[in-house]
Amino acid sequence: AQTVTQSQPEMSVQEAETVTLSCTYDTSESDYYLFWYKQPPSRQMILVIRQEAYKQQNATENRFSVNFQKAAKSFSLKISDSQLGDAAMYFCAYRSAYRYGGSQGNLIFGKGTKLSVKP
Amino acid sequence: DADVTQTPRNRITKTGKRIMLECSQTKGHDRMYWYRQDPGLGLRLIYYSFDVKDINKGEISDGYSVSRQAQAKFSLSLESAIPNQTALYFCATATGDNQPQHFGDGTRLSIL
Repeated sequence: AQTVTQSQPEMSVQEAETVTLSCTYDTSESDYYLFWYKQPPSRQMILVIRQEAYKQQNATENRFSVNFQKAAKSFSLKISDSQLGDAAMYFCAYRSAYRYGGSQGNLIFGKGTKLSVKP
Repeated sequence: DADVTQTPRNRITKTGKRIMLECSQTKGHDRMYWYRQDPGLGLRLIYYSFDVKDINKGEISDGYSVSRQAQAKFSLSLESAIPNQTALYFCATATGDNQPQHFGDGTRLSIL
């Protein structure tokens, strides 16, 4: 079974600085998708960025980028020029590209990292 | 993006009561999911459905049941609520296996 580990329960960053959130995963599959979701205090789950495992190029969305290391099974999120509105829980998630057995391509989440942004 | 609506937004109830949480979506997504979020545990999958006639158990289905009344509606029921089912519940939808899931705003359920 696949697992997702976020080893940093809490992180803090100064406004305008850069922060990196870590995520590692365990899988024997070769084709899958990885996601970062943001959950602000309003409790919505907002998709931040998505990476396909077969793409070597790291995904980027404005101030958000990932460092995808497939061999190391690592998928970190870098937030540049941090803003007060970035303060939230961040969840890393894995989804198989295969529909079989118990997975059926469903999302598997890490436990989250709470990011605080200091003014 | 999908418009995913969950009702109620918050609910407080007593042990032993039957509870139904509702989810509806307006974008015609065929896949719908129910997750539970507990502090420090992330989100865990309760049930999922690929269409009206295809419903499957997730990681933590014990004590829950679901109904896919139509493509747009997916309800989660707690037949006899217990305090350890106190959690934040999310519904999500997706158009396909390789597409992101879109979440509702969650239902915070407290069972006394």
